[in-house]
Amino acid sequence: NAGVTQTPKFRVLKTGQSMTLLCAQDMNHEYMYWYRQDPGMGLRLIHYSVGEGTTAKGEVPDGYNVSRLKKQNFLLGLESAAPSQTSVYFCASSHGGIMNTEAFFGQGTRLTVV
Amino acid sequence: GEDVEQSLFLSVREGDSSVINCTYTDSSSTYLYWYKQEPGAGLQLLTYIFSNMDMKQDQRLTVLLNKKDKHLSLRIADTQTGDSAIYFCAESRGGSQGNLIFGKGTKLSVKP
Repeated sequence: NAGVTQTPKFRVLKTGQSMTLLCAQDMNHEYMYWYRQDPGMGLRLIHYSVGEGTTAKGEVPDGYNVSRLKKQNFLLGLESAAPSQTSVYFCASSHGGIMNTEAFFGQGTRLTVV
Repeated sequence: GEDVEQSLFLSVREGDSSVINCTYTDSSSTYLYWYKQEPGAGLQLLTYIFSNMDMKQDQRLTVLLNKKDKHLSLRIADTQTGDSAIYFCAESRGGSQGNLIFGKGTKLSVKP
């Protein structure tokens, strides 16, 4: 079972460039999430989705956009990358709301913006 | 404060017990969680406790919850080198589908 797969695993961007991070899950989960992990900051929620075609803002949404055109995929876009977006990005999915069901995490995408 | 607080580092010897502590903020949190992150990997749910419980035991893991003090702890008995990882405390907070608020993580180092 693949679980939650993130691509790419590593990327270096120049300031101002754009990119899309892809998250795919094969567990038929309704809920999907994008987090960023920074040293000494824990994980912070960027955006989430409670079902195909829906998205909502999390704690730190600025500078990011998301789309959930297919249930199994959740895309995170950076339109104009900034050094402050250097981070490790984690996608997660869960069957129900993340409050009361287990969340499954991808392996992470390490992004460096120079 | 607004944060879920954890100490950043813990070092123990193999075979000893490890206790990782956490304080959370939202007294209405329904579930409290411990996630484990091994080097270069994503997070995996280790265990969770429902807010109406005081204790939960699962093999080598014991979770203690003190709702009055908003204090959560994870005890790992007979700690092994394979337990070396970062452990995140998380609370569910607010909203119809909620959000997990994570602590900064405690890095557990197990020395042989």
